[in-house]
Amino acid sequence: NAGVTQTPKFQVLKTGQSMTLQCAQDMNHEYMSWYRQDPGMGLRLIHYSVGAGITDQGEVPNGYNVSRSTTEDFPLRLLSAAPSQTSVYFCASAVAGGGTDTQYFGPGTRLTVL
Amino acid sequence: GQQLNQSPQSMFIQEGEDVSMNCTSSSIFNTWLWYKQDPGEGPVLLIALYKAGELTSNGRLTAQFGITRKDSFLNISASIPSDVGIYFCAGSGGGADGLTFGKGTHLIIQP
Repeated sequence: NAGVTQTPKFQVLKTGQSMTLQCAQDMNHEYMSWYRQDPGMGLRLIHYSVGAGITDQGEVPNGYNVSRSTTEDFPLRLLSAAPSQTSVYFCASAVAGGGTDTQYFGPGTRLTVL
Repeated sequence: GQQLNQSPQSMFIQEGEDVSMNCTSSSIFNTWLWYKQDPGEGPVLLIALYKAGELTSNGRLTAQFGITRKDSFLNISASIPSDVGIYFCAGSGGGADGLTFGKGTHLIIQP
């Protein structure tokens, strides 16, 4: 049982490049989310999904797109990377409904935008 | 938006000492959670609290959900070297819009 997996682990981009951060979970969780972690800022919610085909914005959604075509996968897309998006990105999943608060996190993707 | 104030920012303690950290919120939460993050890893859930006044233990860790629903504390008894890391509190209003995190407490154990 792998839990929540994220790829790549590290990535360097140039300003303006696009890329997709992958996230997958094998726990059949309905709820998935993306956070970014910046020094001294804690974790901030980017986007979340309560089930396949449903996504919504979190606290800091600008510059990011998501889709949820399957229960297992929740990719995060950066269409035109900016230095302000240099951060560590964490994907998390949780059981739907009342258990959405108990989220399990992946190991993170460390992104640098030059 | 909601804000969590977590203190202290960092703690330098001796092995064997007890540790206490807390979080306060400007608004009410229905759930309080405590996570630990090791370097290069994602946060790992330590304790979840679902009811005001609830006191829950997990080994040497004890956490409480404040009666006002605006605060929570985490205690670690008899600290050991593997307790080193960053501890985050997180709160939820119970909806699907995710968790609000504190900024973390860095726990450093001095030899």
